[in-house]
Amino acid sequence: GQQVMQIPQYQHVQEGEDFTTYCNSSTTLSNIQWYKQRPGGHPVFLIQLVKSGEVKKQKRLTFQFGEAKKNSSLHITATQTTDVGTYFCAGPDSNYQLIWGAGTKLIIKP
Amino acid sequence: SQTIHQWPATLVQPVGSPLSLECTVEGTSNPNLYWYRQAAGRGLQLLFYSVGIGQISSEVPQNLSASRPQDRQFILSSKKLLLSDSGFYLCAWSVWRDRYNEQFFGPGTRLTVL
Repeated sequence: GQQVMQIPQYQHVQEGEDFTTYCNSSTTLSNIQWYKQRPGGHPVFLIQLVKSGEVKKQKRLTFQFGEAKKNSSLHITATQTTDVGTYFCAGPDSNYQLIWGAGTKLIIKP
Repeated sequence: SQTIHQWPATLVQPVGSPLSLECTVEGTSNPNLYWYRQAAGRGLQLLFYSVGIGQISSEVPQNLSASRPQDRQFILSSKKLLLSDSGFYLCAWSVWRDRYNEQFFGPGTRLTVL
């Protein structure tokens, strides 16, 4: 069946370093969504990308949707402690239900 | 504005006991509703979704069941809990608008089965 793969599973960074998570779908997606889950919290919607090659920015976060609409990335510039959490990508299947990536956990080194 | 409620926030239950988790949504009509389970440090596993009253789709065969008795109420149940049912249970809703269908999550219920 349709799968959404997300890497890496964890990323340890020093505060101020950049962070990137990658998402790859086994099928072409009509859109891709990104969510953030803070430790102990619930996932919160960040953004949805719809167009091929689309790039969107939210302050230090940059989201990209690949030309083939099968992959996506989230890049955070100069991480801060408030960025800590797990970032999930998700894309709809043929029934319009979301298929979720496994998430990438951002850990700030002390 | 829309709000989603889940209760209880935390639950400790013995093996073999029944379970009932409730989720309600305010401020929207005819939402899609979802139940997810998240094991500690893991991703989201879709358990059930519903596109309307009485319409339930099951994604994973298990000893859990779901019901939607009202438009904005979604209930997750079990007759006999297993140790493996422990986890963080999340309810979510979505509504299609143009091509957008982002999901909005409730605060979740942390279930520990002992």
